[in-house]
Parts: sequence; structure tokens; C-alpha cells
Amino acid sequence: TQLLEQSPQFLSIQEGENLTVYCNSSSVFSSLQWYRQEPGEGPVLLVTVVTGGEVKKLKRLTFQFGDARKDSSLHITAAQPGDTGLYLCAGPKTGGYQKVTFGTGTKLQVIP
Amino acid sequence: DTGVSQDPRHKITKRGQNVTFRCDPISEHNRLYWYRQTLGQGPEFLTYFQNEAQLEKSRLLSDRFSAERPKGSFSTLEIQRTEQGDSAMYLCASSLPPRGYEQYFGPGTRLTVT
Repeated sequence: TQLLEQSPQFLSIQEGENLTVYCNSSSVFSSLQWYRQEPGEGPVLLVTVVTGGEVKKLKRLTFQFGDARKDSSLHITAAQPGDTGLYLCAGPKTGGYQKVTFGTGTKLQVIP
Repeated sequence: DTGVSQDPRHKITKRGQNVTFRCDPISEHNRLYWYRQTLGQGPEFLTYFQNEAQLEKSRLLSDRFSAERPKGSFSTLEIQRTEQGDSAMYLCASSLPPRGYEQYFGPGTRLTVT
């Protein structure tokens, strides 16, 4: 079973602080995706990382895929209240049609 | 650019009633997924369509749940004889190969069973 464990589960920080969210698995993934979900809405795709060791930046968000493609991290610099939400990592399961498994989620609250 | 839409956004029903939800995917996407999500958790896979064919249904899904995608476009998810444990957010997503793992979600239908 390809499970994705995220840590921390909850994070409450002040505006302007930095933070890192982790996504870990014992299985190798061909790629990992990160999503952000706001209350009452569906998840929104932020990024896909494909190559082991890959780093992608999206404004103040930095995503990294582990060298062994078993883990990923999301680092937010100078967090803003608009970053508040549920952050989910996800990855395609092995098999024919790219069924996706989602992580356990990290709920982030940025206090103004 | 029309995203994934879902209807209704909210549904309150009494235990034992049947409910049906609709999902309209992004028009060129041939893959459509249904998920269930409880508060603060990640989406849980329910079922998946490629065009009009339902290719997999979660073992977690009881016989009270059924989904269709009759013409390979919109999809419906029906829950019969609803139970309080069915209360959750029901999410629909669509995708397009070769990056079918990149899911585009609708806003969800929040179901409350009283």
C-alpha cells in the first residue's frame, strides 16, 4: 500500500514566519503533486515534481522532491494570511490508469 | 476556461433518503474521479471513470453508492438510504493523460445527513 504521511498535521504561525511541511512515504513515486485547499472548496493543484532532487519555486513557495522519490517538502517563506489552508501532497499509484493517493494533510493557519 | 463544476454545493437530507450529485468535468478531460473527504483529512478515492467506463470502485464503497457517466461527459453519484456516516464533502475531479495524475477538482458537494 502506497501511503503518504504528512507532518505536521496542524501548524499555526504568525504572518511573516517561515515554515516547512513534509510528505513522506516508504514507497517510490514517479511524481508527487502538492495541492492547497481552502475551507469549503476543492483542492487546487500547485505543482508537480517529477525528478529526484528537483526543486520548484512558486513565488514564496519552494517544493522539493527527495533524491529517492519517496518524500517531498514544501517551504513557505514569509507566510501570509492568504496561505492559510489545507496542504495536501499526492502521487500516482503504480498501475495502469494513474489512480492517485493523497496524503493525510497539513492544516496551516497564518495569523495576521 | 471552464473548470470542474458540481451541483448542488450543499445538500441536507434526512437519514434514509436518496441523494444524487452531479459533476461536470473539464470538457476535454476523459478521466473523472469521485472522492469523499471528511474534515481536515485528505480525499478518499471512491470511483473512477475513463470516458463512460467505470474502471474501479473502492472497496470502501457500499452497495448504496452508485455512479454513472453515461456519455463520457458529466457524471452522477447517487447515495441510497443515506446514513449519518455519509455526511462528508463529495469531490469530483477530472484529468487528462498523459498527466492524468494531475487532478482538477470541483468545489465539492457538502452532504449533511440528519
